[in-house]
Amino acid sequence: QKEVEQDPGPLSVPEGAIVSLNCTYSNSAFQYFMWYRQYSRKGPELLMYTYSSGNKEDGRFTAQVDKSSKYISLFIRDSQPSDSATYLCAMSVIQGAQKLVFGQGTRLTINP
Amino acid sequence: DGGITQSPKYLFRKEGQNVTLSCEQNLNHDAMYWYRQDPGQGLRLIYYSQIVNDFQKGDIAEGYSVSREKKESFPLTVTSAQKNPTAFYLCASSIQGVSTDTQYFGPGTRLTVL
Repeated sequence: QKEVEQDPGPLSVPEGAIVSLNCTYSNSAFQYFMWYRQYSRKGPELLMYTYSSGNKEDGRFTAQVDKSSKYISLFIRDSQPSDSATYLCAMSVIQGAQKLVFGQGTRLTINP
Repeated sequence: DGGITQSPKYLFRKEGQNVTLSCEQNLNHDAMYWYRQDPGQGLRLIYYSQIVNDFQKGDIAEGYSVSREKKESFPLTVTSAQKNPTAFYLCASSIQGVSTDTQYFGPGTRLTVL
């Protein structure tokens, strides 16, 4: 069983829809949670990060963490064609050297 | 412009050959990382380095080697011992390599074994 599980999709939705991307994890020591966005044939870029349970908003993006269920989500409101990319969740423990554990990535397409 | 550069963008290798992928950063970051990305598998850590002249194996180091002689450079050699080297290789860096750092990624090198 992988430490981090993410539905690889692909996920295709119409422009303007609300998108929900999810990851589950098994290691309760993970305390630092991130979402990266990766456009085709490019390197990933950090979208959001959070340490605590609850919600964190940044414009059209909301990151949600439920540590009791070992479940994290990324919501995209008013989705745009430019949001079409692969979204990767990543997480790490808080101590020691950083070793990120990534989910498989979800490929998202927003249709105009 | 500050950033991470990787070269070449595309690389073709014959079976049995070693090949070296370049990674350079001008962000003055101490830590650097190498990942491999395969379809449907996310990113997997090959090697990382938190300081010059020191590096540690990641989860899939077999068949790979690295060096860190300069702060700005972290080349990755894919040796003939790597049985399935065709993949997208990503280099990243972060300020100190501590658990709460942000990792910044380069544009990647796509390696194909012929």
